[in-house]
Amino acid sequence: GNSVTQMEGPVTLSEEAFLTINCTYTATGYPSLFWYVQYPGEGLQLLLKATKADDKGSNKGFEATYRKETTSFHLEKGSVQVSDSAVYFCALLDYGGATNKLIFGTGTLLAVQP
Amino acid sequence: GAGVSQTPSNKVTEKGKYVELRCDPISGHTALYWYRQSLGQGPEFLIYFQGTGAADDSGLPNDRFFAVRPEGSVSTLKIQRTERGDSAVYLCASSQSGGPTGELFFGEGSRLTVL
Repeated sequence: GNSVTQMEGPVTLSEEAFLTINCTYTATGYPSLFWYVQYPGEGLQLLLKATKADDKGSNKGFEATYRKETTSFHLEKGSVQVSDSAVYFCALLDYGGATNKLIFGTGTLLAVQP
Repeated sequence: GAGVSQTPSNKVTEKGKYVELRCDPISGHTALYWYRQSLGQGPEFLIYFQGTGAADDSGLPNDRFFAVRPEGSVSTLKIQRTERGDSAVYLCASSQSGGPTGELFFGEGSRLTVL
């Protein structure tokens, strides 16, 4: 079945460091891919998405490129801030027939220190 | 309200009791989803409503779990004969339509603890 694997955390970085959080997926076909973020005390919210191979999603300085060759969707940011501290979830969309659901990875906790 | 609202935010109950968790989606959103998040895990799909009907309930773990959305807005997740393994954060999300956007708006969740 469809699944998502993302790197385990926690990831601890200093402010202005470069961030990569790895995400790979297993799926039939080419599903849409997402990064969701959960800030402390808040609900999950969509960070960025890509709907087809080679698409790049971007938002708030974060980027991720849909790579079908490596079945990956790694999240990157050039210079993290303390306010980026959160849990990041990679997800794919399983859609078809009556099915319409996101399949999430286990999440990666990012802690950015000043 | 502007966002997805879930009540209660916290529920502690004893094994064997019945529990109801409520979700008030964003006004006008026709699609509603329930997910369950255990500690250290990502959200797991439970059920998806399109309007009043459950289009996909394949994620409900067993027949102790049931959800309704009688008027196509508010939804209630019902858990009978709770077990300690049901302890988790139950998340509700809504989206404007049931199309393949994957763009869900989540509530803050209801944390259920079964003693």
